[in-house]
Amino acid sequence: RKEVEQDPGPFNVPEGATVAFNCTYSNSASQSFFWYRQDCRKEPKLLMSVYSSGNEDGRFTAQLNRASQYISLLIRDSKLSDSATYLCVVHTFNDMRFGAGTRLTVKP
Amino acid sequence: SQTIHQWPATLVQPVGSPLSLECTVEGTSNPNLYWYRQAAGRGLQLLFYSVGIGQISSEVPQNLSASRPQDRQFILSSKKLLLSDSGFYLCAWKGGGNEQFFGPGTRLTVL
Repeated sequence: RKEVEQDPGPFNVPEGATVAFNCTYSNSASQSFFWYRQDCRKEPKLLMSVYSSGNEDGRFTAQLNRASQYISLLIRDSKLSDSATYLCVVHTFNDMRFGAGTRLTVKP
Repeated sequence: SQTIHQWPATLVQPVGSPLSLECTVEGTSNPNLYWYRQAAGRGLQLLFYSVGIGQISSEVPQNLSASRPQDRQFILSSKKLLLSDSGFYLCAWKGGGNEQFFGPGTRLTVL
């Protein structure tokens, strides 16, 4: 079993749609959780941290379920500029593990 | 503010040739530094990390090595490249909340 698993997609959605990505992790000792965004042929960039109580940043909402070892990212009112690959990242002690990413394409 | 630099941006090398990729960080002291590789269409693979000068931990045994000669400098090397070494090499530093921030990367093609 992979340490961090994501649905690879691709997700193809129209502008304005709501889309949700899921991620599961295997190490129950994991401490910190993040979503990164990676544009084609570019470095990953931090989108948001994920807190136990859930957190929101504009159109983006992240949630964490420690009991189920599950993380989610919800994007509301999708924009063309949201097209990218979204990486689920889990931090355990001095170790970061990355999911392979979920590709999103938002179409006009 | 902190910035991270990598060079070169792209590199095409023949099989069997040596490699040296450099990463430098500005605006922070004694950062934890990381080297990752991302093969085409795949996730990031941690190669090395360093918590200080001269301290290197290897995650994956292979023909690559890393060194940290200065506090804010991290170097990835190889004596002889393999075809399988092709990929996107990313250097990162760790922030206070365990998040990592990446440099722009080096795209390596081994022919």
